This record gives sequence, C-alpha cells and structure tokens, in this order.
Amino acid sequence: EDQVTQSPEALRLQEGESSSLNCSYTVSGLRGLFWYRQDPGKGPEFLFTLYSAGEEKEKERLKATLTKKESFLHITAPKPEDSATYLCAVQAPYKYIFGTGTRLKVLA
Amino acid sequence: DVKVTQSSRYLVKRTGEKVFLECVQDMDHENMFWYRQDPGLGLRLIYFSYDVKMKEKGDIPEGYSVSREKKERFSLILESASTNQTSMYLCASSLQNTEAFFGQGTRLTVV
Repeated sequence: EDQVTQSPEALRLQEGESSSLNCSYTVSGLRGLFWYRQDPGKGPEFLFTLYSAGEEKEKERLKATLTKKESFLHITAPKPEDSATYLCAVQAPYKYIFGTGTRLKVLA
Repeated sequence: DVKVTQSSRYLVKRTGEKVFLECVQDMDHENMFWYRQDPGLGLRLIYFSYDVKMKEKGDIPEGYSVSREKKERFSLILESASTNQTSMYLCASSLQNTEAFFGQGTRLTVV
C-alpha cells in the first residue's frame, strides 16, 4: 500500500538552529515527491518537486533531498517566519498521497 | 502566477442542507482534486477528475459527489450535510506527473 510518514510531528527550534524534517515513503513506482508549506487556515503552498534519488533542490533557507526510501527537508538558520506545517506528498497514478505533516515553530 | 480559486473561505450550513463548493483554476490543468483536512488525519482525497466529465472516487467519497462540466471548474457537492462533514476543504489542480497547486481552502461548519 502506498504510504507517506513524516517525522517528527512537531519541532521547536531557536532562531538560527538548523535541523531536518523527514519524509519516508513506500510507493510502487515513484512519479514525484513534493514538499509543501502550509500556514494556519490556508491552503498548502508548493515548495519543491523531486523525481529521482540523489536529486536536491534549494530555496532560500530550505533544501530538499531524496533517496530511494525517504526525503529530507533541511532548514538552515531558520527564522520565525519559517514557522508553519511542512507537508510531504508522493504521486501515485492520478492522485497524491500526503503525510500528516511536521509542525515547525521557530522561536525568536 | 498559477491560480486556484475556491468560491468561499468560510461557510456555515445547517444539517441536511445541500452544499456546493466551487473551484476554478486558470492553468489549463487536466487533473483536479478535492481533499478534506482534519487535525491529526492529514489530507484525505474525496474525489478527483483527470478530464472533463470524468470523475473518480478517492479514499472517502461517501456523502459527496462532484461535477466537472468544464475543464477549469470542479465542484464538490454535499448531498445532505452532516456535522461530521465539518472540515477544511481544499481544491487542487495539476498536470500529469507534476506538482499540484492548491486553493486557499474553504472552512465549512455544519450546525
């Protein structure tokens, strides 16, 4: 069965304290792995797409990496405005399967 | 900029009412989706459509139906709203094998 598991469920960091979020997946034939940011009461905002093991994407303080079984979202020197829920998803035929997310809080 | 627009940000409806949630995308995407999001349960797929007039059940279709008469518009219908359908509803669209883009969400409360 296709499945996505994210860890940790919640993470509190001090401003400037780097860390990583994990997304483990099982899917028959990966067609894409996606990272989203979601602020409270809003729809998910697209961040990155990764298609093959070894691929990396960067945007400001965020860097996403992909292996054959998991993906990491590395946050370097986070700021309070990076506080949000980060969602990971994989694409199965015609649909996307989401993890339950990691709630990140960055303290000033 | 890509745009997925949901017709309402907040809705309050009474039990038993028929409820329509509308979604429009301006990106000429063939795929459209309806999810609901609840605390601790994540995003769960209700219905999706990969072409005009085509629809497929997702993981939790009971109590819902959909309509896609035009490529850019995908409607979710709650036939007879119940309190357990109180949730955040999210519409998304995509091309095949690419990222999905989401609307701003509709917070539906059924009383």
